[in-house]
Amino acid sequence: GAVVSQHPSWVICKSGTSVKIECRSLDFQATTMFWYRQFPKQSLMLMATSNEGSKATYEQGVEKDKFLINHASLTLSTLTVTSAHPEDSSFYICSARPTRHSSYNSPLHFGNGTRLTVT
Amino acid sequence: DAKTTQPTSMDCAEGRAANLPCNHSTISGNEYVYWYRQIHSQGPQYIIHGLKNNETNEMASLIITEDRKSSTLILPHATLRDTAVYYCIVRVVYQGSQGNLIFGKGTKLSVKP
Repeated sequence: GAVVSQHPSWVICKSGTSVKIECRSLDFQATTMFWYRQFPKQSLMLMATSNEGSKATYEQGVEKDKFLINHASLTLSTLTVTSAHPEDSSFYICSARPTRHSSYNSPLHFGNGTRLTVT
Repeated sequence: DAKTTQPTSMDCAEGRAANLPCNHSTISGNEYVYWYRQIHSQGPQYIIHGLKNNETNEMASLIITEDRKSSTLILPHATLRDTAVYYCIVRVVYQGSQGNLIFGKGTKLSVKP
């Protein structure tokens, strides 16, 4: 089945530093990838949509200069949390949708998430 | 995307069938019903999806009412490892759509020995 790999699975960083999270589709190509954030005891919230070869589109309230997204290939998207602060501590999850050549109702496949703790 | 309503929590005895309901009374003709689950501290896992016919796979069965306003996910023989939050999501699917998923609060299913 379709596998999405996310790395690292957890990271602790100091306030003011930047952290990069990678999302890879291992056995399929993904024109589009999605980044979600989940705070404790809450549901997943979509942050941004990552499109291969073009700029990401961000949901309202998500700062594009703080959460840098790069989707340089059909199998890799990265999310960089810049100048991280304690309030950015959260569970970040990526998901990928197979390319347009697949059925349009193909399910999204999710990575196992990255637990970010900013101290 | 259409809003869904699910019970906040449910319990199920191990080995019994778990029936998780979902209401989506405002669903439109081009929206599919998807079910995902999230085990604690993991990413969501796809379970099953359907448009109007009942569907079955190795994980579960999906029963969609004739008017499509509600559905039920059935785990035929629940195990302790099925303890998770289950999300029912309706999603517009068409050429050119981004296809992202909007998550509600889901149902926390607790399978008890």
